[in-house]
Amino acid sequence: EDQVTQSPEALRLQEGESSSLNCSYTVSGLRGLFWYRQDPGKGPEFLFTLYSAGEEKEKERLKATLTKKESFLHITAPKPEDSATYLCAVRSYGGSQGNLIFGKGTKLSVKP
Amino acid sequence: GAVVSQHPSWVICKSGTSVKIECRSLDFQATTMFWYRQFPKQSLMLMATSNEGSKATYEQGVEKDKFLINHASLTLSTLTVTSAHPEDSSFYICSVQTGAPYTGELFFGEGSRLTVL
Repeated sequence: EDQVTQSPEALRLQEGESSSLNCSYTVSGLRGLFWYRQDPGKGPEFLFTLYSAGEEKEKERLKATLTKKESFLHITAPKPEDSATYLCAVRSYGGSQGNLIFGKGTKLSVKP
Repeated sequence: GAVVSQHPSWVICKSGTSVKIECRSLDFQATTMFWYRQFPKQSLMLMATSNEGSKATYEQGVEKDKFLINHASLTLSTLTVTSAHPEDSSFYICSVQTGAPYTGELFFGEGSRLTVL
């Protein structure tokens, strides 16, 4: 069964304190791993897609990396506006085209 | 990416009534849209795939007679929750996929919060 586990559930950082969020997955053939940002009461906002182990993508203070078993979302020198829940999702060869398997997310709080 | 709009953002209804939620793809012609549901502190779960001009495909465990989906045009899909009950209270989010099937990114709407009293 395809599964996504994110850790930690919650993370509190001081502004400027870099850290990483983890997404571990088991999937029957990976078609893609996705990172989203979700603010309270809003829909997920697309950040990155990674397709193969070793791939990395960057956007401002965020950098996503992928291995065969997990993905990391690195946040460098975070600011309070980076506070949100970060969701990881996978699409497998066994699923329908729209069926992303989501983790429960990591709630990030950045204090000034 | 694609810009996806949902309406209403939130709705409160009485038990037994029906509620319709609209999902519009503003800048992309979507032959396929997807409806997800998110309970508090839980993962997003795919409910159904909405296909333009044909019947929706429902995920296992989702009642098709309760959650009616209509995809009448390339820019509009609607989800109607029929005879709503308090356990249907949730955050409903639609999405649009750009690019090729199975490989493109999914872009989500702002979500619709349903509360059934």
